[in-house]
Amino acid sequence: AQSVTQLGSHVSVSEGALVLLRCNYSSSVPPYLFWYVQYPNQGLQLLLKYTTGATLVKGINGFEAEFKKSETSFHLTKPSAHMSDAAEYFCAVEGSGGYQKVTFGTGTKLQVIP
Amino acid sequence: NAGVMQNPRHLVRRRGQEARLRCSPMKGHSHVYWYRQLPEEGLKFMVYLQKENIIDESGMPKERFSAEFPKEGPSILRIQQVVRGDSAAYFCASSPRTGDSGYTFGSGTRLTVV
Repeated sequence: AQSVTQLGSHVSVSEGALVLLRCNYSSSVPPYLFWYVQYPNQGLQLLLKYTTGATLVKGINGFEAEFKKSETSFHLTKPSAHMSDAAEYFCAVEGSGGYQKVTFGTGTKLQVIP
Repeated sequence: NAGVMQNPRHLVRRRGQEARLRCSPMKGHSHVYWYRQLPEEGLKFMVYLQKENIIDESGMPKERFSAEFPKEGPSILRIQQVVRGDSAAYFCASSPRTGDSGYTFGSGTRLTVV
């Protein structure tokens, strides 16, 4: 069994400020972890993923996330927010080792204030 | 290289009618997943299919909903005798394998039941 908790359904940051979107997971097996972004009226687009190896993963559009096993977290960060980053972000977890259903969090809507 | 194609983008049905949602996976992807998205609820897994096989339908409502992925042609999500509560965005995703690859999502079908 696995689950994802995204803290904060809405986050507002000023343009140029740090973006931090929080994600905690639970999984009974070593997890694969993903962040997706969804723009209005579109599908989800993969931002980055952690599978094995380096715990700090870099994705598209300057985003990165760090897998912290001891904290069961996979928070998404970007040093400087841009107006185009305004969207909804979803964290997802999948158990490793054969087929495991991907479970998505409820999403965090990021607002960027000019 | 077309991505995941879903049609129609918008579908309006009267209560009691049937809704058929189509999904053509990305070229080279043999795994198809359907998710339903309701406002403030994130994505809910419905069903996972490979060609001619339903692998996991644990998220499908027991009645009125069915899915298929025939040998030839797109995957179909079928909802019979639609009710207002079926109104949602339905997303299809595909992947080349299970595990660490992440999903490629279509743009979704927005079903409105009137």
